[in-house]
Amino acid sequence: GENVEQHPSTLSVQEGDSAVIKCTYSDSASNYFPWYKQELGKRPQLIIDIRSNVGEKKDQRIAVTLNKTAKHFSLHITETQPEDSAVYFCAAGKYGKLTFGQGTILTVHP
Amino acid sequence: EPEVTQTPSHQVTQMGQEVILRCVPISNHLYFYWYRQILGQKVEFLVSFYNNEISEKSEIFDDQFSVERPDGSNFTLKIRSTKLEDSAMYFCASLGNTGELFFGEGSRLTVL
Repeated sequence: GENVEQHPSTLSVQEGDSAVIKCTYSDSASNYFPWYKQELGKRPQLIIDIRSNVGEKKDQRIAVTLNKTAKHFSLHITETQPEDSAVYFCAAGKYGKLTFGQGTILTVHP
Repeated sequence: EPEVTQTPSHQVTQMGQEVILRCVPISNHLYFYWYRQILGQKVEFLVSFYNNEISEKSEIFDDQFSVERPDGSNFTLKIRSTKLEDSAMYFCASLGNTGELFFGEGSRLTVL
């Protein structure tokens, strides 16, 4: 089955800095790679996703890159704000069956 | 905007008791899922459901678990005899046309 590794487990940045979270996956059949933001006690909230036929996608301050050959994908958040502080999960899979990474606790200090 | 709804939001039960968690997926979605998240851990796939039957299940989804869609609206997860380690947040989800998963707000299960 699919295996997703996510790093780092914690990330602390100053407001305005960039944050990068990286994930690797194992199953070449996976074709959907979403990123979720989760606040304590809440559901995962989709912030951006990318499909295997695309190498990069950007939405305002958030971007995701995918390297299918190396089986890794990354989340980039620019100009971080304190409200970006949360747990971020990457996931990989297809047809709604997702394998999640272990999560990254992002703390943005004002 | 349509949403996946789940009830109850929180259930406390004694070990060995049966629990049913309910979900109403988005009305025109065809694929439904249950995921769980133990406190402080990652979200884990349990089961997928399509055309009134299980299409895939994980190793976690053992004989103590079952799912059904009894009335064409509710999608339920039943745990027959709860264990302490079943304590978790259970998320229902349905699959949109673009491949995005729409998660419900979750049902927190506490087994004492």
